[in-house]
Amino acid sequence: EVQLVESGGGLGQPGGSLRLSCVASRFTLGDYWMHWVRQVPGKGLVWVSRINTDGSSKFYADSVRGRFTISRDNAKNTLYLQMNSLRPEDTAVYFCGREGSGYYIDAWGLGTLVTVST
Amino acid sequence: SYVLTQPPSVSVAPGETARITCGGNNIGRTSVHWYQQKPGQAPVLVVYYDSDRPSGIPERFSGSNSGNTATLIIRRVEAGDEADYYCQVWDSGSDHPVFGGGARLTVL
Repeated sequence: EVQLVESGGGLGQPGGSLRLSCVASRFTLGDYWMHWVRQVPGKGLVWVSRINTDGSSKFYADSVRGRFTISRDNAKNTLYLQMNSLRPEDTAVYFCGREGSGYYIDAWGLGTLVTVST
Repeated sequence: SYVLTQPPSVSVAPGETARITCGGNNIGRTSVHWYQQKPGQAPVLVVYYDSDRPSGIPERFSGSNSGNTATLIIRRVEAGDEADYYCQVWDSGSDHPVFGGGARLTVL
């Protein structure tokens, strides 16, 4: 069964940085576009970022563009999200997801909680 | 950006049929995907391309999509179906997914 495991969440300071990782197993990461989606506890799913198979195309939600950077290391089967200039409104659970063949997310990680606070 | 509207909550008795709607301008012209999320868990794809089911999803789950409304249909509802359900479409202009606000299904 496909597995995605996020890590790197925790407490971040406003204006600070965090780097999230997502390790893929039981499939070849390099064959798939990948996403980051976040969810404020008790609220809905919000798309954050998307990256193509070789990392040459990246897309961002307006709320994070210029502050967050998505990247990948296919040799390590790992997806990343570098989060800079953190804001309290970035507080959420961050999920990585694998894009299926028809513009949906067919596999999700369990998520990692990011809390931005002093 | 495309806006999807879901009811905050839907309630149904066990054994009955639940219908969870997702409204959007001409949503019938695009494909709709549905996710189930139980508390503390990751979302799970339950329906894609309006009405197809991934492997392992019970036949009780289906969907329809026409006009301005897509619907997730869950037949013979069980207590284990209690969860939040999200619809999703693709914003081709911005090349990213758009999610509805989610609907909580309560099994009475």
